[in-house]
Amino acid sequence: SQELEQSPQSLIVQEGKNLTINCTSSKTLYGLYWYKQKYGEGLIFLMMLQKGGEEKSHEKITAKLDEKKQQSSLHITASQPSHAGIYLCGALYGGATNKLIFGTGTLLAVQP
Amino acid sequence: NAGVTQTPKFQVLKTGQSMTLQCAQDMNHEYMSWYRQDPGMGLRLIHYSVGAGITDQGEVPNGYNVSRSTTEDFPLRLLSAAPSQTSVYFCASRNGRVNEQFFGPGTRLTVL
Repeated sequence: SQELEQSPQSLIVQEGKNLTINCTSSKTLYGLYWYKQKYGEGLIFLMMLQKGGEEKSHEKITAKLDEKKQQSSLHITASQPSHAGIYLCGALYGGATNKLIFGTGTLLAVQP
Repeated sequence: NAGVTQTPKFQVLKTGQSMTLQCAQDMNHEYMSWYRQDPGMGLRLIHYSVGAGITDQGEVPNGYNVSRSTTEDFPLRLLSAAPSQTSVYFCASRNGRVNEQFFGPGTRLTVL
């Protein structure tokens, strides 16, 4: 979706390094989802954020929704090869909350 | 619970052929959606439904039809397949507007 942009498009990090993936919306978000996908497989739900300033963690992955509810960041601490895959953010917008649309994804590779 | 199931897993069609991708969920979810995933494009919403008898268009609905006669099933029909419809198709469901969305394992479709 052009309303939702992810950056970077791809990322290569050394094992043990921290990294951040950003998801930016052109409109105020009603809800923001983060998913992970291993190559050729289905999507795994990581977390969902709804309130401005909200922060959630899942193992070594933390996501935050900014106060203005137009940007979310996903932070991985001490990356491991198991973190490799495609990370996708999905958005619900007020007034159109029936539709959950996604950004283009970030491809993460973790080098041992 | 089986969750969200999709059939077939793989399909090859010739241009102009028709087929139906099947999707079913056993979680009594109101919301169901169809997405396609192309390389570098993330997930794009094709059609979605907020309950039996109710469907609406997503971001890329052209060339696809859907119906929702029961809560459990949400088939996606390609009336006249085109090479541009070569993609991986994911079905998803969620319980209410702002809840975790569950994805099926996907159907890999090739149109020659």
